[in-house]
Amino acid sequence: RKEVEQDPGPFNVPEGATVAFNCTYSNSASQSFFWYRQDCRKEPKLLMSVYSSGNEDGRFTAQLNRASQYISLLIRDSKLSDSATYLCVVNPEEGVLAGNMLTFGGGTRLMVKP
Amino acid sequence: GAGVSQSPRYKVAKRGQDVALRCDPISGHVSLFWYQQALGQGPEFLTYFQNEAQLDKSGLPSDRFFAERPEGSVSTLKIQRTQQEDSAVYLCASSLGSIAFFGQGTRLTVV
Repeated sequence: RKEVEQDPGPFNVPEGATVAFNCTYSNSASQSFFWYRQDCRKEPKLLMSVYSSGNEDGRFTAQLNRASQYISLLIRDSKLSDSATYLCVVNPEEGVLAGNMLTFGGGTRLMVKP
Repeated sequence: GAGVSQSPRYKVAKRGQDVALRCDPISGHVSLFWYQQALGQGPEFLTYFQNEAQLDKSGLPSDRFFAERPEGSVSTLKIQRTQQEDSAVYLCASSLGSIAFFGQGTRLTVV
């Protein structure tokens, strides 16, 4: 079983739709969580950190459920430009300076259609 | 430059050839990571440096893979006697705090 698991998709949604992705992680000691976005043939870029209390950034909402060991990403009012692969990332420690590597899920592909 | 820079962007190697991939991290970033990303997969950890010290190399798939960061800045990932299964995008990331920033990667194709 992989440490971080995601549904690979693709999720095909029309513009304006609301779409949600989940990600599960196996290490209950994990401390910090992120969503990265990766466009085709580009590098991953940080979309948002995920906090215990949940957090929102514009159309994007991230939530953490420690009891069930999953994190989620909700995208409202989808835009064509949201089409990308969304990578769930887990770190066993607070901050990468602790020396622990980021563990990536396999990514969920989103395609927003006109 | 302001970001993580990797070179070359693309590399085609004949099977058995040695290759060297370079990463220029963001200036002042202490932590440097190498990841391997196969087509349609998420990045897989290879190795980690804190300054010049290689603190974790548990992800290197074989002893053909070697990484160094002798002066705590630029890092090189070397792959000896390349095999077809080494074909992937090799991503470098650097960090000073809690967020890692990635370079655009080197796409290695072994033929």
